[in-house]
Amino acid sequence: DTEVTQTPKHLVMGMTNKKSLKCEQHMGHRAMYWYKQKAKKPPELMFVYSYEKLSINESVPSRFSPECPNSSLLNLHLHALQPEDSALYLCASSQDQHGGTDTQYFGPGTRLTVL
Amino acid sequence: AQKVTQAQTEISVVEKEDVTLDCVYETRDTTYYLFWYKQPPSGELVFLIRRNSFDEQNEISGRYSWNFQKSTSSFNFTITASQVVDSAVYFCALEVAYGGSQGNLIFGKGTKLSVKP
Repeated sequence: DTEVTQTPKHLVMGMTNKKSLKCEQHMGHRAMYWYKQKAKKPPELMFVYSYEKLSINESVPSRFSPECPNSSLLNLHLHALQPEDSALYLCASSQDQHGGTDTQYFGPGTRLTVL
Repeated sequence: AQKVTQAQTEISVVEKEDVTLDCVYETRDTTYYLFWYKQPPSGELVFLIRRNSFDEQNEISGRYSWNFQKSTSSFNFTITASQVVDSAVYFCALEVAYGGSQGNLIFGKGTKLSVKP
C-alpha cells in the first residue's frame, strides 16, 4: 500500500488567518517531505524530516512552520501568508533519507488559495 | 550542480500513437537515481519508475518502456499505443545518493502530454 493522505484537499484563507495542512502515511516510512508547486512548474522542495527530525529546510520563509509529531504524521502550519503563496502543497514519504536514496511517494496535495 | 532538462513542453498525439518523452540530465556524481513521475489533472504525483546509475538495462512495463543511456545522459520514456488516460504532465527527476543531498529530487520542468481520441 503506497498511500499518502493529505487534508484538506482545498483551502482558502485570508492573509491574517492561521491554518494547518496535514499529511499522513502508514507505510512505516521514516522520511517525510513538503513540496510547493506553482501552476505549470515542477514541485519545489520545502522541508525534509528524517526520523522525526528536520533535516532539510530549503530557506523557506518563517510563515511556513513544519511539524512532525510522530513518524506517520507531518503538519505544515501557515500564518500570515501572502497571495503569492497560493499553490499546490504536496506531501511525500520515503522509506528512509539516509543510507541511500529511496523512492518518494506523493499524496494528492492541498490546493491553497490565499486571498 | 545537478540539472534535468525536458525539452518538450507539450506533446499532442492521437490515441494509439506511440510517443517518446525525452529527459536529459547533468550530474558529476557517479551514484545517482533517475525517476519518472506522472501528474494527472487531479494533482497527485504518481511514481512510475526508479533507475540507479549502475543499471542501464532498458525496462518495459506494459505499454511503458524506458531507455537509459549514460553515454548521452538520457533517460527517455516511451508510451506505446497511447490512450486518453495517459494525458498528464510527466516529470523526470534526478537524485544523488551522497553528499547531503539525499531526499532532494531535482525535477525537470515537465512535459504535458495530451492524447486525443
